[in-house]
Amino acid sequence: GENVEQHPSTLSVQEGDSAVIKCTYSDSASNYFPWYKQELGKGPQLIIDIRSNVGEKKDQRIAVTLNKTAKHFSLHITETQPEDSAVYFCAAHGSSNTGKLIFGQGTTLQVKP
Amino acid sequence: DAGVTQSPTHLIKTRGQQVTLRCSPKSGHDTVSWYQQALGQGPQFIFQYYEEEERQRGNFPDRFSGHQFPNYSSELNVNALLLGDSALYLCASSSLGGARETQYFGPGTRLLVL
Repeated sequence: GENVEQHPSTLSVQEGDSAVIKCTYSDSASNYFPWYKQELGKGPQLIIDIRSNVGEKKDQRIAVTLNKTAKHFSLHITETQPEDSAVYFCAAHGSSNTGKLIFGQGTTLQVKP
Repeated sequence: DAGVTQSPTHLIKTRGQQVTLRCSPKSGHDTVSWYQQALGQGPQFIFQYYEEEERQRGNFPDRFSGHQFPNYSSELNVNALLLGDSALYLCASSSLGGARETQYFGPGTRLLVL
């Protein structure tokens, strides 16, 4: 069935270092891949997304890459700051006829000052 | 521009009771999706509503039902509550006319079933 695997489950970096979170998906029809940041007690916040016709997208310190052949995509955060500490979720959207997002298990990112 | 709003923020119920959660979508959005997020896990899709109809449903029992109103707001109803229904319930809105896959989440309703 549809599945999204996310690694690592926890990630600890020093302030200023880079952080990379990786996801793989099973449904080859998936064509939209958002990333969400969830802080304690809050709902997931969309931080960046990428569609299947694009291989890479960047927004300031955040970038996402997509490899459709291998069915994996990654989130890259450069120059990490303590306020980047949160749980990050990747997700995959199915074909255009489906409405649901399938989420990974989440990565808890800790940025140490 | 108001984002997605949900009410109530917290709720405590006992087993067997029924609960209704409410969601107002982001301005300009016409599609509402509901997700269940258990502690330490990613959100799981319950169902999606568009034009007051359920478009798609995830792997949840019939105890979970919903409704969408003409103003695009939505309700999630859960009957015969079980302890395992304790979770954060998230509402997400999107626009079918635009990039409909882009979903924006509300703050959630935390439900505790005792």
